[in-house]
Amino acid sequence: ETGVTQSPTHLIKTRGQQVTLRCSSQSGHNTVSWYQQALGQGPQFIFQYYREEENGRGNFPPRFSGLQFPNYSSELNVNALELDDSALYLCASSRALAGEETQYFGPGTRLLVL
Amino acid sequence: GQQVMQIPQYQHVQEGEDFTTYCNSSTTLSNIQWYKQRPGGHPVFLIQLVKSGEVKKQKRLTFQFGEAKKNSSLHITATQTTDVGTYFCAGFNYGGATNKLIFGTGTLLAVQP
Repeated sequence: ETGVTQSPTHLIKTRGQQVTLRCSSQSGHNTVSWYQQALGQGPQFIFQYYREEENGRGNFPPRFSGLQFPNYSSELNVNALELDDSALYLCASSRALAGEETQYFGPGTRLLVL
Repeated sequence: GQQVMQIPQYQHVQEGEDFTTYCNSSTTLSNIQWYKQRPGGHPVFLIQLVKSGEVKKQKRLTFQFGEAKKNSSLHITATQTTDVGTYFCAGFNYGGATNKLIFGTGTLLAVQP
């Protein structure tokens, strides 16, 4: 186990709704990265937060937003859900920027948009 | 935009055979990481390569980073059923506000006992 937790584990929403996913980072880690993994594909980088500020963003629209809190836990918010948003959402924590240090992934949240 | 491709997409081997997956980036990378994801699981970090031409070994796994820092490979010697899973490379480029880790398309390894 990595010590990275995510909630909820599964979620079903309908188109147009909004969703908030949560991630608790491993102790001692100040960076959280979020990824979207569609079935049969590799994780796609959404963004990362370093010391409560966004530091790097992938090709995702503004309706994907996030927060990092003083304890370095993080939230991913998705507005105006679309069917294509159905995926496994993974967060990963690290001691520095993703790509510089080992990332530890959480178990993920499986989101289904109907 | 930057792309990271892996080949093959799928490999089926008999237990004991060797396996290699190749990773190619459209741009030069600062470093590259490798992950393993078991079916139904989450990615697990295996290793990070930073230097041009670097070679690292972990038991039966050998990782290489190309001289131009645009390609990498993972070789498994004498596969075991526990090696089953999808292997991803992930390339990283320092870019200030555009720092991001780009995962490859992955290679799914099936090992027949």
